[in-house]
Amino acid sequence: SQQGEEDPQALSIQEGENATMNCSYKTSINNLQWYRQNSGRGLVHLILIRSNEREKHSGRLRVTLDTSKKSSSLLITASRAADTASYFCATDRGSYIPTFGRGTSLIVHP
Amino acid sequence: GAVVSQHPSRVICKSGTSVKIECRSLDFQATTMFWYRQFPKQSLMLMATSNEGSKATYEQGVEKDKFLINHASLTLSTLTVTSAHPEDSSFYICSARDKAGGLETQYFGPGTRLLVL
Repeated sequence: SQQGEEDPQALSIQEGENATMNCSYKTSINNLQWYRQNSGRGLVHLILIRSNEREKHSGRLRVTLDTSKKSSSLLITASRAADTASYFCATDRGSYIPTFGRGTSLIVHP
Repeated sequence: GAVVSQHPSRVICKSGTSVKIECRSLDFQATTMFWYRQFPKQSLMLMATSNEGSKATYEQGVEKDKFLINHASLTLSTLTVTSAHPEDSSFYICSARDKAGGLETQYFGPGTRLLVL
C-alpha cells in the first residue's frame, strides 16, 4: 500500500524558478528518501533524510522533514530544463524497503 | 558508482508467452534484489523481494506462479512473467541492495517495458 503522497501531482515552471514538492505520509518512519525518474527510465536516488533530521542539502536540492506533521518537502532551486522529471518520495517504516508515493511530475520550461 | 542493469529494456510479446527479465548488479554483490512494477503515471509497486539462494518473498496480491523470481547468484536476479496477458503490460523495475553497503540504500535498474499484445 502507498505510504507517501506527493503534492502537487504536476508542476510547471520556468527555468530559473524554484520548484517545491511536498510529501505526506501516514505512519511513523525511519527515514524518507527522494528519487527522480526521467520519462520511461529507472530511478535516481537524490537524498535520504532520517527521522531525527530536519533539513538536508545537496547541491540545488533542499529537503525538509517534519515528523510532527508527517510531511517532507523537496525544494529545487534555480531550476533547469534538465530537471524535468517525476519526483517520488519513499518512506521506510523499518523494513529497509521503501514505499513510494505517486510522484510529482515537474516540467521546467526553457 | 553502483550500477544495475536490466535486460531487455523493451519487449513485445504475444499473449500466452513467457518473458524473462534479467536484473544484474554490475560492480557490486547484491544479497537482496527487489522487483517493482509501475503503470503509467503511477507509483512503483513492490512485487517481491528476492534473496540470493532462497525463495522470493511476494507482496500481497502478487501471484508467485505468475511472476517467477530466481536469484541464483549475488549479481543476478530474473523475473519471468509466465503466460503473459495484456494486463501484464507494464514497466518493470528492479533494484539491488549492496551487500557491502547500508540497508537503506538501493540502486535501481533502468527498467524494462513489457507490452503484451
